[in-house]
Amino acid sequence: EAGVAQSPRYKIIEKRQSVAFWCNPISGHATLYWYQQILGQGPKLLIQFQNNGVVDDSQLPKDRFSAERLKGVDSTLKIQPAKLEDSAVYLCASSLAGAEGNEQFFGPGTRLTVL
Amino acid sequence: QQQVKQSPQSLIVQKGGISIINCAYENTAFDYFPWYQQFPGKGPALLIAIRPDVSEKKEGRFTISFNKSAKQFSLHIMDSQPGDSATYFCAAMDTGRRALTFGSGTRLQVQP
Repeated sequence: EAGVAQSPRYKIIEKRQSVAFWCNPISGHATLYWYQQILGQGPKLLIQFQNNGVVDDSQLPKDRFSAERLKGVDSTLKIQPAKLEDSAVYLCASSLAGAEGNEQFFGPGTRLTVL
Repeated sequence: QQQVKQSPQSLIVQKGGISIINCAYENTAFDYFPWYQQFPGKGPALLIAIRPDVSEKKEGRFTISFNKSAKQFSLHIMDSQPGDSATYFCAAMDTGRRALTFGSGTRLQVQP
């Protein structure tokens, strides 16, 4: 079974530039999550999708971050404009829906450095 | 409160020893408590998980102990091996909402 795919793996940008990350979840997983992991900290949820609808985006800085999940499969996370404090690893995870969906499967992440 | 507090921040154990990591939570809506293992450059991977209706769960060398009244849970790694060297995160979930709240992580180093 293929895991969660993410690209790019690394990205370096200047502050105030924009950046986009892509995630392809495990086939059949209805729920998709984006987490931000700052160095030395645990992942923090940014947004959660159920199919192509947003379930929770309460911790997403909506003035600069946006995310979409068209057709309920792939997802993109965008930052525009980036700030220095956005330097982090951005993790995508997916899970089944319903009672079997407690386990979340994580991708390798995209390491973003904002200079 | 959504916070999950984890300690210690780092841990050095000799090969064959027992590694113990502790976590505490406040939100009584949490009803699923997983532990994730993360190697450098990789995403977290589920190691073991417990529901609050049991006090202990064991899978191989890994055991979760859960104290519902104290709102605390811990991970015990028996016979620790150098290959266990990684960062460990406790987490908690309200299964009605699905999102995980993670602890701050424990960097475990098992010396040969």
